[in-house]
Amino acid sequence: GAVVSQHPSRVICKSGTSVKIECRSLDFQATTMFWYRQFPKQSLMLMATSNEGSKATYEQGVEKDKFLINHASLTLSTLTVTSAHPEDSSFYICSVLTSGHYEQYFGPGTRLTVT
Amino acid sequence: GENVEQHPSTLSVQEGDSAVIKCTYSDSASNYFPWYKQELGKGPQLIIDIRSNVGEKKDQRIAVTLNKTAKHFSLHITETQPEDSAVYFCAAMIGYDKVIFGPGTSLSVIP
Repeated sequence: GAVVSQHPSRVICKSGTSVKIECRSLDFQATTMFWYRQFPKQSLMLMATSNEGSKATYEQGVEKDKFLINHASLTLSTLTVTSAHPEDSSFYICSVLTSGHYEQYFGPGTRLTVT
Repeated sequence: GENVEQHPSTLSVQEGDSAVIKCTYSDSASNYFPWYKQELGKGPQLIIDIRSNVGEKKDQRIAVTLNKTAKHFSLHITETQPEDSAVYFCAAMIGYDKVIFGPGTSLSVIP
């Protein structure tokens, strides 16, 4: 399967600041990446689909101006949480979609805590 | 839209016993059904998957079955070990991108 990394693994920031999370596909050129958030003891909720070279597609209820996604290359997608608030504290996970068999492989996740 | 239900929400088994997790999906157009294992503080790991053109798939101690008519699919883990303890998510994919996850099953294997 594909190997996916995320950086940072955990971050603490103050309310009102912005935080950038990187998702890298280490061994596979990913045309499509996904961003999820997961609250404690809950399932994964898709936030947006990130396509290389084009604008991300956001799920209903996800603010595109708050969660900025940039998929600048086939191996890197970034999620920037702008003007973070405590309610944005969550586990953010990215995944890559492999071509051909269309399997999804997930990164290790980023724990964001907004104080 | 697609909806995936999963049961049970929690499951405890003795080491060596089998564990079964069941899922149902709503959209008959779903064509791909992956299962993920998530350990605490980590991202989900794909452990097995099945496509709509087969009814069963096995990989060592893990097997998955699919009943398209009933829109059911199940994960079977035999000879469970403590390291199998984790949260397991079933999922269903429509087309080639969007994956809808079930709510998860927390499996505890008691030594």
